[in-house]
Order: sequence, then structure tokens, then C-alpha cells
Amino acid sequence: NFMLTQPHSVSESPGKTVTISCTRSSGSIASNYVQWYQQRPGSSPTIVIYENNERPSGVPDRFSGSIASSSNSASLTISGLRTEDEADYYCQSYDNSDHHVFGTGTKVTVL
Amino acid sequence: QVQLQESSPGLVRPSQTLSLTCTVSGGSISSPNYYWSWIRQPAGKGLEWIGRIYTSGSTNYNPSLKSRVTISVDTSKNQFSLELSSVTAADTAVYYCARDAYYSFYIDVWGKGTTVTVSS
Repeated sequence: NFMLTQPHSVSESPGKTVTISCTRSSGSIASNYVQWYQQRPGSSPTIVIYENNERPSGVPDRFSGSIASSSNSASLTISGLRTEDEADYYCQSYDNSDHHVFGTGTKVTVL
Repeated sequence: QVQLQESSPGLVRPSQTLSLTCTVSGGSISSPNYYWSWIRQPAGKGLEWIGRIYTSGSTNYNPSLKSRVTISVDTSKNQFSLELSSVTAADTAVYYCARDAYYSFYIDVWGKGTTVTVSS
């Protein structure tokens, strides 16, 4: 099976842009969709990006997703950072046996 | 809208079997568009997918837990359940039930989670 590795933490000031990477250890990142979840302290995760770059209704367009085959990674970009974006973020994909794999998680701090 | 609610066994003794049930409201567990998953999260750590079940009873399990996990579904009660056998302290975590999109493998609805502690 493969692993999804994320940076442990990122921080930025309000109004700025942060990008979180999610690197797949083996197999192509493009082989299976990547999702992103936001988890605020004490709450259940909620989905912010699905199918690499699709936003569920209700998620602001400040959130965007992409994949890059050159680095075998996915990215979540949050622009116009707000204090309410402070949370843990997890990427997620699946293997060819339909097993879900979660990334290691990234803590986003809004300075 | 669909809501999921986990039962709350709280404390489980080491070597015993952890049992949880998730009740689905606001929608049918028999919908052909969804799987139903269990995910856990130890305190201060990341998410770990445990497994999922389809309305037909077809299952997928995390290979690292497969030997100890059983997920079942009761369509008459709109519920699905998790059993994890031979538990140890390492199984202490918040356990979430969740709805899992059939074609795209994303989880769009999560329960609030229930804390399970393994201790004697």
C-alpha cells in the first residue's frame, strides 16, 4: 500500500495564501481521486475538496485543489486566509482494492 | 439532511471486543450511491480508516486491522455496526461513522464521533 505524507504544520497571516502538499509514496497520484478534509478542534472532519479539485456546495472558493504528476503530489490552497481556517487538514485517496488512505495531517495556524 | 449517530460503549476491557453501532437518519442506508464507513482517531493523532460496507453486505477492510474487524449492516433498522476484537490500549480513540460516496470514494457526511477507551 502507499502512504500520503503532509507537512506537519504551516502558518501564515490573515489575508495571505497557504498551500498544503500531500505526496504519494508509490503509484501515481493521478491514478485515484484525492480529497481534502478540514477538522477544527473538537469537531468531526468536513470535506472541502473532492475529486482532486471539486468544491462541495457551501465551501468558499478560497479553497482550491490540484494534483501534480511531476511531484506525485496533491495540493490544497487556501487564499485570503481567515482565522476560521485555523484547523487540521487531511488529504485522502484510495488504492486499487478500494481501501481508503488518509494523509498524515497538517495543522494550519493563522498568525 | 442525512445525519449519523454513533452509540457510545465508553470503556472496553483489554482483550475484549469493541462494539459500536451507527444509526442513519434523514436518508436510507439502502441507497445505491453510498458505502458506510468507520474511521478512528487516537487523541492528538491522525485519521485511520477502518473499513466500510455496502447495503448488499459487501465489505472492504483496512489490511492492518482486517483480522480483527467485522462490519455489518441492518437495513431494517437503518444501522451499521463495527466489531473490533482483541482490543488493546492502542485501540483507544474517537470512532467516527461516515457516509462514503460509491463512485468517488469521498466521505461527505460524518458522525460526531464517540470516544472509546480500552482500559482495565
